[in-house]
Formats: sequence, structure tokens, C-alpha cells
Amino acid sequence: EIVLTQSPATLSLFPGERATLSCRASQSVSSYLAWYQQKPGQAPRLLIYDASNRATGVPARFSGSGSGTDFTLTIDSLEPEDFAVYYCQQRSDWPPYTFGQGTKLEIK
Amino acid sequence: QVQLQQWGAGLLKPSETLSLTCAVYGGSFSGYYWSWIRQPPGKGLEWIGEINHSGTTNYNPSLKSRVTISVDTSKNQFSLKLSSVTAADTAVYYCARLITDTANYYGMDVWGQGTTVTVSS
Repeated sequence: EIVLTQSPATLSLFPGERATLSCRASQSVSSYLAWYQQKPGQAPRLLIYDASNRATGVPARFSGSGSGTDFTLTIDSLEPEDFAVYYCQQRSDWPPYTFGQGTKLEIK
Repeated sequence: QVQLQQWGAGLLKPSETLSLTCAVYGGSFSGYYWSWIRQPPGKGLEWIGEINHSGTTNYNPSLKSRVTISVDTSKNQFSLKLSSVTAADTAVYYCARLITDTANYYGMDVWGQGTTVTVSS
């Protein structure tokens, strides 16, 4: 089973700053990686698929990069609605699909 | 626009069987994988399993002995059964549409609203 490790666990930033979230895989997942945003009481929302492609309706301030074992989700100029928990998820070696443990992005 | 609507019993006793159903509205049922994911209180996401319109299933090995996912294409619905539940199965359960092919992974792009399932004696 591929383990995804996200860092940091919590990221405290001001609105307007840039957020950089990391996801590291225990073995290569090629580009078969997605990023999700989850707000309290809501289902996750797909942000990025295939490591670097924005899902429909996702603002351009969200971008994904990486391949193999190291991936990054970048959020430029944070908006108040961006403060949430973010998960990465792989489908390179399944079952099972696995998720990272999440990064909480909180307002400083 | 595709929407997923899910329902099922929210309170179970230990050893009972969890049963949830997810209906797909506004889009095609074929050509996708349909997944179940759960989230224990205050914790992260765990993939349970998936099924396609033909009935092909894949399960999380950690749950495989207790999980059955089935499909009813006439109703555009798919269902989850998890047997012999314990308190550790207490979670919010989500259904989701998953898009993938041999060359690309498009992610879980549509999600149900979630069902809170509590296991308690």
C-alpha cells in the first residue's frame, strides 16, 4: 500500500499570502495524484487531478506540480474561503486508493 | 449537472450490518467507477471500495472481508454493505464518482452529501 505523507500538518498564514502544501509518496505514483479541499461539515471538493490539472471551476490561484514521489499544491494570494483542510490522494497502485492525512490551512 | 444523493441507517448496534445507497442523477452511470469513502470523526479519509456499471468491484484490503458493493443500473444506484460493524466503523460515509483510464487519473469529481453512521450499543 502506498503511503502519502503530507506536510506541514498545520499551516498558519494571512489572507493574501502564498500557501505551499507538500505530499510525498512512499513509492512513485507517476502523475496519478489528486488534491481535494474539505471545509467543516462538507464533502471534499476536487481541486487538482493528474498532479497538475485544475478541475472544472477551480480558481487559477490553485496550482499543482510534481511527479513520482514529490508533489506540491500552491495557492497564490489566499482568499478567506481557502482556509480549509487539504488532502492528496493517489491511484497509481490500487486497491486501495490512499489519501494523505491532510494539511489544515488556518488563518493567522 | 451530475448529483449524488445518498441515504441509509444512521445508528447501528455492534455486529449489525451497515447499509447505504447512493443514487446518481443528471448524468450517465456507465463509463465511471463509483466509490465509497469514509471519514471517522476528526480524522482523515479512507477509501472503502468501488464498482462500475458492469459490476466490477475493487475493495480496500483492510475491509474486504466485510464489504459488499453492488449496483442497480436500472435505477442508477449503487450500494454499500459493511457487516459486523464495531465502534471503529463510526464515521461519515460518502459516495463519489471516480474518473480514470489507463493513462490518466481525473479524480473523484462528484460527491454525495455524506451520511453519518454511529455504531453504539
